[in-house]
Amino acid sequence: KQEVTQIPAALSVPEGENLVLNCSFTDSAIYNLQWFRQDPGKGLTSLLLIQSSQREQTSGRLNASLDKSSGRSTLYIAASQPGDSATYLCAVRSNTGKLIFGQGTTLQVKP
Amino acid sequence: ETGVTQSPTHLIKTRGQQVTLRCSSQSGHNTVSWYQQALGQGPQFIFQYYREEENGRGNFPPRFSGLQFPNYSSELNVNALELDDSALYLCASTASGGARNEQFFGPGTRLTVL
Repeated sequence: KQEVTQIPAALSVPEGENLVLNCSFTDSAIYNLQWFRQDPGKGLTSLLLIQSSQREQTSGRLNASLDKSSGRSTLYIAASQPGDSATYLCAVRSNTGKLIFGQGTTLQVKP
Repeated sequence: ETGVTQSPTHLIKTRGQQVTLRCSSQSGHNTVSWYQQALGQGPQFIFQYYREEENGRGNFPPRFSGLQFPNYSSELNVNALELDDSALYLCASTASGGARNEQFFGPGTRLTVL
């Protein structure tokens, strides 16, 4: 059974700092991995999608990497801003099409 | 291009009642998935519909049921509501049934069961 874990559960950093969020999964047989952002009480905004054959994806200040063999992904946020404060969720896509989510990392960026 | 929309935004029900939540998929998407997100948790997969047929189900009891219509919009129905059904219900749509395709989420419906 696939399990997804995100560490840390919460993180507080000063503005301008570079940071890394971690995601691990137990079964390497995934189709892809997706990182999402969720603001309080809101839906999910897709940030990056990495296919199983890819090693990384970049969008602006965000970079996500994937190491299937070790069951790990990281989301790197450069030069963090207060507007980056949110919960970040990673999810792996199984061959049945469903997404299996971690519990998320809640990020606070202090001005 | 219209994104995924859900209605209603918020809903309050009492235990034992029935509820219907609605989702309109993104233009051109024929696959819809539903997720339940309890407070402080990651979303949990309920089921998925592809071309009006259920195409995968998570670990939820039969009182959670769904429909997909010819225009690919979808409904989630929950019968005999329990207090633990209080959660944010999220709908996601995907282009075609391909597992490699990105899922796009709606804003969710917040259900409170009293």
